[in-house]
Amino acid sequence: AQSVTQLGSHVSVSEGALVLLRCNYSSSVPPYLFWYVQYPNQGLQLLLKYTTGATLVKGINGFEAEFKKSETSFHLTKPSAHMSDAAEYFCALNQGGKLIFGQGTELSVKP
Amino acid sequence: DAGVIQSPRHEVTEMGQEVTLRCKPISGHNSLFWYRQTMMRGLELLIYFNNNVPIDDSGMPEDRFSAKMPNASFSTLKIQPSEPRDSAVYFCASSTNRVGETQYFGPGTRLLVL
Repeated sequence: AQSVTQLGSHVSVSEGALVLLRCNYSSSVPPYLFWYVQYPNQGLQLLLKYTTGATLVKGINGFEAEFKKSETSFHLTKPSAHMSDAAEYFCALNQGGKLIFGQGTELSVKP
Repeated sequence: DAGVIQSPRHEVTEMGQEVTLRCKPISGHNSLFWYRQTMMRGLELLIYFNNNVPIDDSGMPEDRFSAKMPNASFSTLKIQPSEPRDSAVYFCASSTNRVGETQYFGPGTRLLVL
């Protein structure tokens, strides 16, 4: 069965520090992978996605993610955290049109 | 485009009452999804429609839950009778049905059943 695992339910970084949110997946077919962000009391917003082609994907707000098939990973990074990045982040895998979500990682940014 | 529209944004009801959540997908999208988000279970897909036809309702918790999509621009999720454990945020999302397409989420309905 296909699944998504996000390592770390809470991540805290200082403003200006590197952000690294981890996502591993399990899939028997080439995956379509997504990162979504959820701000408090809002819906989910797409940050970036990987379908085919270039394995390094750039998204909104300075985020990027790299698809590594050998490691079955799709980690999300941002070189320098900003206070406004504080939110919950979800990694997801598209399976037959449905999204399978990881449990989410709450990112806190300290001044 | 207005995005996915959900109503109401907040609903407080008493146990045993009927609750109806509404969703208007993005125009031109032919896939529609209903999700539930709770602290304990995270984001769960309840049901999804393609071209107004329910494709997979395996996530619907039990018979108290039902969903309809009478046309391409409207869907409802109904809970009858409601129970306190149904308290959650319910999201509607829509997309085209091309492989790998992005799902666009509405703002959600926060449901509290007392």
